[in-house]
Amino acid sequence: GAGVSQSPSNKVTEKGKDVELRCDPISGHTALYWYRQSLGQGLEFLIYFQGNSAPDKSGLPSDRFSAERTGGSVSTLTIQRTQQEDSAVYLCASSLVGGENIQYFGAGTRLSVL
Amino acid sequence: GQNIDQPTEMTATEGAIVQINCTYQTSGFNGLFWYQQHAGEAPTFLSYNVLDGLEEKGRFSSFLSRSKGYSYLLLKELQMKDSASYLCAVPFNTDKLIFGTGTRLQVFP
Repeated sequence: GAGVSQSPSNKVTEKGKDVELRCDPISGHTALYWYRQSLGQGLEFLIYFQGNSAPDKSGLPSDRFSAERTGGSVSTLTIQRTQQEDSAVYLCASSLVGGENIQYFGAGTRLSVL
Repeated sequence: GQNIDQPTEMTATEGAIVQINCTYQTSGFNGLFWYQQHAGEAPTFLSYNVLDGLEEKGRFSSFLSRSKGYSYLLLKELQMKDSASYLCAVPFNTDKLIFGTGTRLQVFP
């Protein structure tokens, strides 16, 4: 596609439920990143996929968070047993690895946990 | 470790010039990025500096001093549409980005 696409754009859920957030990167981009943006905070790195390599999960805040990337393209971020502190905007970005490695972002999914 | 500091908020008048500063501490340096983010929208790439000096792109310029761990984004001839957050970011471990909290710029008529 022309840009990074994320769905849903907004998600409201009840505490304790599981949620899945989807990211469709720019075609041909081998690198995919998930970030979290809480109110008044900077973007916080969560996880990074590069080609067929094992993902870098060093930013995941707890074992309730997981992500996968199928076929080197679409990625899903799953949050199990959501808590109120998980409320944030979840941003996905993709890039061509090498060179300036500019990351292109989607508009994000705004998650509200009630 | 990695640390990035930028002012939280700035205000300016339409037509004026504004400078948004960013200081960073990083182990190893692989360049510095500036992104613009309008409320509720995706961050969009503005500039990437890896060498010292000023790089100009139209109304926007970005400056880097590696020895001082300092960068700034210069916006000239401000327009109302420039009201946004400006995010400074540096890569670490080659590919990931660490971001500052962003500077929210409000442009008034």
